[in-house]
Amino acid sequence: DTAVSQTPKYLVTQMGNDKSIKCEQNLGHDTMYWYKQDSKKFLKIMFSYNNKELIINETVPNRFSPKSPDKAHLNLHINSLELGDSAVYFCASSHRSGGDGELFFGEGSRLTVL
Amino acid sequence: GNSVTQMEGPVTLSEEAFLTINCTYTATGYPSLFWYVQYPGEGLQLLLKATKADDKGSNKGFEATYRKETTSFHLEKGSVQVSDSAVYFCALSDYGNNRLAFGKGNQVVVIP
Repeated sequence: DTAVSQTPKYLVTQMGNDKSIKCEQNLGHDTMYWYKQDSKKFLKIMFSYNNKELIINETVPNRFSPKSPDKAHLNLHINSLELGDSAVYFCASSHRSGGDGELFFGEGSRLTVL
Repeated sequence: GNSVTQMEGPVTLSEEAFLTINCTYTATGYPSLFWYVQYPGEGLQLLLKATKADDKGSNKGFEATYRKETTSFHLEKGSVQVSDSAVYFCALSDYGNNRLAFGKGNQVVVIP
């Protein structure tokens, strides 16, 4: 039974399109995150929600919009996709915010923009 | 905010060799320290952690000791296996910014 699941796992699309990635966690955690991992494996936090409230909003283009309908779900919508958006996007969750707890990661969604 | 620095570059070594990956940190207060591992095609998973100075985290033959005097949390394993090939990330709690701060990661390749 997957703890943090994201869909789709692979996404190939054209520049200018709009796409969404969904994430769900069944761990009962309060906090969820989106990270972007580039081709050099560098991991950058994008957003974090705690109990559906946005608590981290990094310097990310406003083409990226997270949505948390409930504390078990955090989706990422991307408008007007650009080549530089190609990356692996990881969803994660933790019991609480603040950075002192273990993060549980999904398997990642590899986005390729052509 | 708090930050971590990992040694540059991938690490390639033979099976049964000794592995060390350096990690140093900059922090205010008393952060918790973590090592995460990412196997090919997977998400990150916690490998070990230490929550206070002189604590030693250990798991799967890996160890790291929280050294406050040298602000370090180096990862070691005495005898690596091919299955240890992965990317290893050092991280610390960054309470002020409400997150874990990750290092840049080190690719480890173990050859038979």
